[in-house]
Amino acid sequence: SQTIHQWPATLVQPVGSPLSLECTVEGTSNPNLYWYRQAAGRGLQLLFYSVGIGQISSEVPQNLSASRPQDRQFILSSKKLLLSDSGFYLCAWGDRGDQPQHFGDGTRLSIL
Amino acid sequence: AQSVTQLGSHVSVSEGALVLLRCNYSSSVPPYLFWYVQYPNQGLQLLLKYTTGATLVKGINGFEAEFKKSETSFHLTKPSAHMSDAAEYFCAVTFMFSGGYNKLIFGAGTRLAVHP
Repeated sequence: SQTIHQWPATLVQPVGSPLSLECTVEGTSNPNLYWYRQAAGRGLQLLFYSVGIGQISSEVPQNLSASRPQDRQFILSSKKLLLSDSGFYLCAWGDRGDQPQHFGDGTRLSIL
Repeated sequence: AQSVTQLGSHVSVSEGALVLLRCNYSSSVPPYLFWYVQYPNQGLQLLLKYTTGATLVKGINGFEAEFKKSETSFHLTKPSAHMSDAAEYFCAVTFMFSGGYNKLIFGAGTRLAVHP
């Protein structure tokens, strides 16, 4: 069966520090991969998606970037974190077609 | 433009009462519809989905939803609420885009409280 792993679960970072969040998927090949952010009390905002290695599309302009160095690895990064980057970050994978997306357990990011 | 509206950001029910969470969507093409549940500090778990075929779909934990095209709705129901149902629920719609990926559009969520 397919599984998705995200780490770390929680992270506290100072303003201006770099960021790297990692997501890996097991049990499937060539999945679509997604990064979402969920601000407190709000819905989910799609940040990035990827349909293949090295293929990244950004949904909104921001201080973050994403990379997909391997088929089942998706990384969210920042060179300098802002206070507004605080939130709950979720990685998801999905097959093509009418299949749902499946989510990791998320990373709670707090910026001080 | 496609969108999802969840009526009521907070819903409170008594244990054993009917749960009804409302979701309406706008779309110019046939949608695929999903309900997800999120427990505190966790990711989203799929409750159920509608793609094609039977308009009444059953999911996990006793939930079901009915796709009504004429009303552009996909409301989530459960006959009898349990304390463990307290969570946040998200309705989502997706459409196939060129390039083979499907973009999920989420509603703002409904927080369900269940009291004794």
